[in-house]
Amino acid sequence: NAGVTQTPKFQVLKTGQSMTLQCAQDMNHNSMYWYRQDPGMGLRLIYYSASEGTTDKGEVPNGYNVSRLNKREFSLRLESAAPSQTSVYFCASSEVGGSSYNSPLHFGNGTRLTVT
Amino acid sequence: DAKTTQPTSMDCAEGRAANLPCNHSTISGNEYVYWYRQIHSQGPQYIIHGLKNNETNEMASLIITEDRKSSTLILPHATLRDTAVYYCILPPSGTYKYIFGTGTRLKVLA
Repeated sequence: NAGVTQTPKFQVLKTGQSMTLQCAQDMNHNSMYWYRQDPGMGLRLIYYSASEGTTDKGEVPNGYNVSRLNKREFSLRLESAAPSQTSVYFCASSEVGGSSYNSPLHFGNGTRLTVT
Repeated sequence: DAKTTQPTSMDCAEGRAANLPCNHSTISGNEYVYWYRQIHSQGPQYIIHGLKNNETNEMASLIITEDRKSSTLILPHATLRDTAVYYCILPPSGTYKYIFGTGTRLKVLA
């Protein structure tokens, strides 16, 4: 089972360039999430999608857009990359979020993004 | 939303039990306590969760105090591979905002 798959694994961008980070899960989960982790820091929630067709802001949404393309896929777009967005980006999914009490998060292995 | 407080770092001798505390004094009655860990720069890995009762699985045990204001994750026989950052989180009921703090950096010493 692949679980949560993120592409690409590594990316280098110049300031002002745009790119989309892809995430797909094969566990039939309803909820999906994007986190960023700066060096030596904890994870911060960027955006989440409670179910197909819905998205909502997390702690640090500025500079990002998301698309819940279908139940499997949740993409994160940087329209105009900035050095402050240099980070490791993790995608996660859960069977049901919110009030589901037996629904651990399953994480991908991350995309390491450097903006110069 | 309930917040958690964890020590920044801890050391543990290999083969000994590692006891990682978490304070969550503002937890509400229907919020579960979840534990995850992150080894090096990999994606976080789910360990265990509980509501009121103590829980045990193949990875760890979770002890929750009777008033639910704190909990302890126990790794019974820590190995070098357990060196990681451990996160205690409380997914807030009614929302989907799983918020991770900075966790506890556990170092298992040979």
